[in-house]
Amino acid sequence: QSALTQPASVSGSPGQSITISCTGTISDIGTYNLVSWYQQHPGKAPKVMIYEVSKRPSGVSNRFSGSKSGNTASLTISGLQAEDEADYYCFSYAGSISLFGGGTKLTVL
Amino acid sequence: QVQLVESGGGVVQPGRSLRLSCAASGFSFSDYAIHWVRQAPGKGLEWVAIISFDGSDKYYADSVKGRFTISRDNSRNTLYLQMDSLRPEDTAVFYCAKDRGYCTSTSCSPSLDFDYWGQGTLVTVSS
Repeated sequence: QSALTQPASVSGSPGQSITISCTGTISDIGTYNLVSWYQQHPGKAPKVMIYEVSKRPSGVSNRFSGSKSGNTASLTISGLQAEDEADYYCFSYAGSISLFGGGTKLTVL
Repeated sequence: QVQLVESGGGVVQPGRSLRLSCAASGFSFSDYAIHWVRQAPGKGLEWVAIISFDGSDKYYADSVKGRFTISRDNSRNTLYLQMDSLRPEDTAVFYCAKDRGYCTSTSCSPSLDFDYWGQGTLVTVSS
């Protein structure tokens, strides 16, 4: 199976909101509510930001939110801050295997 | 606190084998599924494999199926990845990652997402 599809890059100014999409198929995102999102800063291990489509782990800012419609999941970051600049990856169960998106580089202008 | 520490990476020739280890601490290792995830230099994350809490169930990405074997020793709180027939395209940082798990008072089922990651170990496949 192919990786989930994310935009290669998005950008926004401090205080603005951005949304990163993650498009899969009926075999993964479209069937399972098992989508999670990870933030990765250069040289660091990834960190979970959202799990089960829209749930936020303890300690993650409420500026991060997730949603899903059909075969596409989305991560929204509101009130952009400089420290949000990082790579973001979606991840979904796909029935015995799991898939990452290709990653999106977020630039805070 | 939860800690995952990978080891065993290095430079290996194409066609050869390598075994990675992941030493876990700070949680009840034998209750949780664990994953391997890799990241080629400058590239995105790729899920590699998952093993159930007791080692009875294992699943692999198509790209490594038949070449890689995931295993665990719950008495040593350690996860392993045996990598055979290595190819240059296997060059990557390999991370072990703890499955968050759906836990009741008696057991945990895989949630198929990650709450803790190690810092990774670099595997370079080159002649």
